[in-house]
Amino acid sequence: NAGVTQTPKFQVLKTGQSMTLQCAQDMNHEYMSWYRQDPGMGLRLIHYSVGAGITDQGEVPNGYNVSRSTTEDFPLRLLSAAPSQTSVYFCASGYRGSDPRGTEAFFGQGTRLTVV
Amino acid sequence: GNSVTQMEGPVTLSEEAFLTINCTYTATGYPSLFWYVQYPGEGLQLLLKATKADDKGSNKGFEATYRKETTSFHLEKGSVQVSDSAVYFCALTSGGSYIPTFGRGTSLIVHP
Repeated sequence: NAGVTQTPKFQVLKTGQSMTLQCAQDMNHEYMSWYRQDPGMGLRLIHYSVGAGITDQGEVPNGYNVSRSTTEDFPLRLLSAAPSQTSVYFCASGYRGSDPRGTEAFFGQGTRLTVV
Repeated sequence: GNSVTQMEGPVTLSEEAFLTINCTYTATGYPSLFWYVQYPGEGLQLLLKATKADDKGSNKGFEATYRKETTSFHLEKGSVQVSDSAVYFCALTSGGSYIPTFGRGTSLIVHP
């Protein structure tokens, strides 16, 4: 069972370039989300989705776009990369389940992005 | 809104020492509480959870008790090992949202 798969694992971009970070899950989870992890800042929510065709902004959405055309995939697009977007990006998925209060998030391995 | 506050790290301990990592929260409604662990170079994984007041979550020797009266969910382990070195995140879900809110994380370093 693959779980949550993120690609690429590492990426270096030049300022102004665009790219898409891929995230796919094979657990049929309704919820998917993107976080960025920066030293001393913990995980900050960028965008999230509660189902196919539905997305919403998190705490730090500026400079990023998302779409959710299928249950499995939730790509994160950087439109014009900036050095401030240098970070480690994590994708996560979750589900309502029979006990919605107890469901946890499942994380990918992360993408380390450097913008120069 | 929801928020989670964790003690600052790094926490440095010798092997077999007692561990406490403090976590307090603010939430709308009645939250579920989680501890996640991140080993070097990896994503986060669930360590333990509790969904109602006075519940105790436990796993791999770690424990945390959901204290509604003090809005706390402190992580404890009686005897840490070098392999416990990692970053620990306290998190919550609340208000009908299943997207967790995380604390800033606490780095634990255990020396032999």
